[in-house]
Amino acid sequence: GDSVTQMEGPVTLSEEAFLTINCTYTATGYPSLFWYVQYPGEGLQLLLKATKADDKGSNKGFEATYRKETTSFHLEKGSVQVSDSAVYFCALSGRAAGNKLTFGGGTRVLVKP
Amino acid sequence: GAVVSQHPSWVICKSGTSVKIECRSLDFQATTMFWYRQFPKQSLMLMATSNEGSKATYEQGVEKDKFLINHASLTLSTLTVTSAHPEDSSFYICSAPVTGGGNPEAFFGQGTRLTVV
Repeated sequence: GDSVTQMEGPVTLSEEAFLTINCTYTATGYPSLFWYVQYPGEGLQLLLKATKADDKGSNKGFEATYRKETTSFHLEKGSVQVSDSAVYFCALSGRAAGNKLTFGGGTRVLVKP
Repeated sequence: GAVVSQHPSWVICKSGTSVKIECRSLDFQATTMFWYRQFPKQSLMLMATSNEGSKATYEQGVEKDKFLINHASLTLSTLTVTSAHPEDSSFYICSAPVTGGGNPEAFFGQGTRLTVV
């Protein structure tokens, strides 16, 4: 079945540092890929998405490129802020799975001033 | 984007009682909604798929008699945790996909933190 693997956290960074969170997937067909963010005590918010190979999703300074050849969707941000402290989830959704989302384990990011 | 509203955002109940959680799509119709459960510091696990007008589809290992799902209308799905026990304490989140002429996008409710004492 479908699966998503992302790097374990926690990841602790200083403000303005570069952030990368690795995400790889296995899936049948051509899934859509997502990054969700969860701030403390809140539900999930879609951060960005990509629906086909070589697509780049971007939002709030975050970027991720759909790499079919490496089955990856790594999340990057060039200069993090304290407000980026959250848990980040990589996920995929495929029509073959009835559009259900399969999530990675989540990566907790803590940005210190 | 589309809005999914989940209520309540938190609830504390006594062991043995039942708790109902509502998930509403406010500005779109959802024939399908998904219910997830999240344990502390863990990922989201899909519990079941709620289908309007038919029975819910449960994931392996999820007790359908304990987690009752009803998809009463195109904008409302409910999850009832029956005879709750402390091990049912968790964060429950619903989502609804919006399929607008392309790949669907899932919108999530705010989540419900259930504490069973």
